[in-house]
Amino acid sequence: KAGVTQTPRYLIKTRGQQVTLSCSPISGHRSVSWYQQTPGQGLQFLFEYFSETQRNKGNFPGRFSGRQFSNSRSEMNVSTLELGDSALYLCASSPSGRASTDTQYFGPGTRLTVL
Amino acid sequence: GESVGLHLPTLSVQEGDNSIINCAYSNSASDYFIWYKQESGKGPQFIIDIRSNMDKRQGQRVTVLLNKTVKHLSLQIAATQPGDSAVYFCAEKGWDTGNQFYFGTGTSLTVIP
Repeated sequence: KAGVTQTPRYLIKTRGQQVTLSCSPISGHRSVSWYQQTPGQGLQFLFEYFSETQRNKGNFPGRFSGRQFSNSRSEMNVSTLELGDSALYLCASSPSGRASTDTQYFGPGTRLTVL
Repeated sequence: GESVGLHLPTLSVQEGDNSIINCAYSNSASDYFIWYKQESGKGPQFIIDIRSNMDKRQGQRVTVLLNKTVKHLSLQIAATQPGDSAVYFCAEKGWDTGNQFYFGTGTSLTVIP
């Protein structure tokens, strides 16, 4: 099976712009989670989507949003970019997330740089 | 002002030696644990997992030990190779956290040839 894919791999934006990142989960996986990874904060949970619904949300401002499509592909959007949004954004997929032992598999990430 | 980054624990080992990476967790409801390996510029890669009803699990050259009494997890890598150089994260989730995993800060492993 193909792994989790994320596009684009690299992005450079300026403050105030918005950005959309895309994630395609492993075939058959229905849960998609997003994380932000920075040297200062480590891996921080953004949100999780399952069956096109946000099921869980981390402690991020409303500028961070996401959605999931019927084919389980997911997008996240960051509006009004700030310098502090520069990070590696990781997507992880799991079969359903309902089983307590559902493993999450990560994509390669999108490296966002805000200038 | 100056920003302070996470202080990643570091571990340096000689090629061929065994490595032990430790992780502490705090949630008593944690019942599933994963170790990930992250190489520079890549996403975290699944290494091995363990459920809370187990104390030990072995994979290829890796062993995970779980001590629920002291809430401690360790990853042992046998015969460490240069390709093992990476940052290693433990992740845990509990029956009370849905599908949300909580990640440790990571340990940077350097293998000296």
